[in-house]
Amino acid sequence: ILNVEQSPQSLHVQEGDSTNFTCSFPSSNFYALHWYRWETAKSPEALFVMTLNGDEKKKGRISATLNTKEGYSYLYIKGSQPEDSATYLCAFLQGAQKLVFGQGTRLTINP
Amino acid sequence: DVKVTQSSRYLVKRTGEKVFLECVQDMDHENMFWYRQDPGLGLRLIYFSYDVKMKEKGDIPEGYSVSREKKERFSLILESASTNQTSMYLCASGTGQGTYEQYFGPGTRLTVT
Repeated sequence: ILNVEQSPQSLHVQEGDSTNFTCSFPSSNFYALHWYRWETAKSPEALFVMTLNGDEKKKGRISATLNTKEGYSYLYIKGSQPEDSATYLCAFLQGAQKLVFGQGTRLTINP
Repeated sequence: DVKVTQSSRYLVKRTGEKVFLECVQDMDHENMFWYRQDPGLGLRLIYFSYDVKMKEKGDIPEGYSVSREKKERFSLILESASTNQTSMYLCASGTGQGTYEQYFGPGTRLTVT
């Protein structure tokens, strides 16, 4: 089983502050890295799918970078808002179309 | 909008009961997946299916089976529920090409007493 690690496991941030967290994955046989946001009582939703080394994706105040050679991706949130409170999951796409998920980073924004 | 629905949001069953969790997707996706989510462990793949009547074991298939008789429906079966199967179960679907993005249902929180 491939190892996908996320850190930290949980994070409390003041409203308005910026934050970031990490996903580490195997650097060999890379195909794609997915980021999902999972809000309480809702379904996980895809944020980004990243495929190229050096890729940088942005959606509003949220952005992500990818380094496939060293096997990590960062997710950044600028100016955190209460609606950003969620669990953020990264997932490594291995062969046979399967995703291997990290354990998630649970983000809480304090007003 | 892609819609993935699961038959129940909450379910309480007794040890030894046979449990069926149903998942339906409306996007004609080839791939469907069943995961369980436990605190500190992330999503773990139980079974997945590339096509009707096809199934593949994931990382933790023990104690589970699946059925895919129609493309839109993927069922997870707990043959004899046990307390260690108390968990959140998530179904997902996705295309069999491109970036393999997955679309998730809302989850079923199963408690086995």
